[in-house]
Amino acid sequence: KQEVTQIPAALSVPEGENLVLNCSFTDSAIYNLQWFRQDPGKGLTSLLLIQSSQREQTSGRLNASLDKSSGRSTLYIAASQPGDSATYLCAVFTGTASKLTFGTGTRLQVTL
Amino acid sequence: GAGVSQSPSNKVTEKGKDVELRCDPISGHTALYWYRQSLGQGLEFLIYFQGNSAPDKSGLPSDRFSAERTGGSVSTLTIQRTQQEDSAVYLCASSLVPGPNEQFFGPGTRLTVL
Repeated sequence: KQEVTQIPAALSVPEGENLVLNCSFTDSAIYNLQWFRQDPGKGLTSLLLIQSSQREQTSGRLNASLDKSSGRSTLYIAASQPGDSATYLCAVFTGTASKLTFGTGTRLQVTL
Repeated sequence: GAGVSQSPSNKVTEKGKDVELRCDPISGHTALYWYRQSLGQGLEFLIYFQGNSAPDKSGLPSDRFSAERTGGSVSTLTIQRTQQEDSAVYLCASSLVPGPNEQFFGPGTRLTVL
């Protein structure tokens, strides 16, 4: 059974800092990995999708990497801003089950 | 274009009542998913409609939960005889085709069972 873990559970950083969020998964037989952001009381917004054959994806100040063999992904946020404050979730689409398995999320607070 | 929409945004009900939650996927998306997000449980898969194939109901927690998708578009999740532990945010997502493709989520329905 696929299990997805995110570390840290919560993170507070001052504005302008670069930061890394971590995601690990137990079953490396994945098709892809997706990073989402969730604002309080809202649904999920897709940030980046990395296919299993890719090593990284970039969108603006966000960069996500994937090391499938070791079961790890990182989300790098450059020059953080207060508007980046949200919960970040990673999810993997595993070959044996046609659905996403989600991590428990990292709650990010960027302070002025 | 329009994203995934869900209604109602909030629902408060009494224990034992039935509720219906609605999801309108992105137009043209053939795959539709329901997830549940509860405190302390994270986000868990409930059911998956994959085009014209039989739905994957493996995530439904009990036989009080059912879902249908009429005409390959709108979906309704029904919870019968609601219990307090059913209180959660119910999220719907759609993707263009079934399989490992990017999923787009709706804003969710917050269900509170008193």
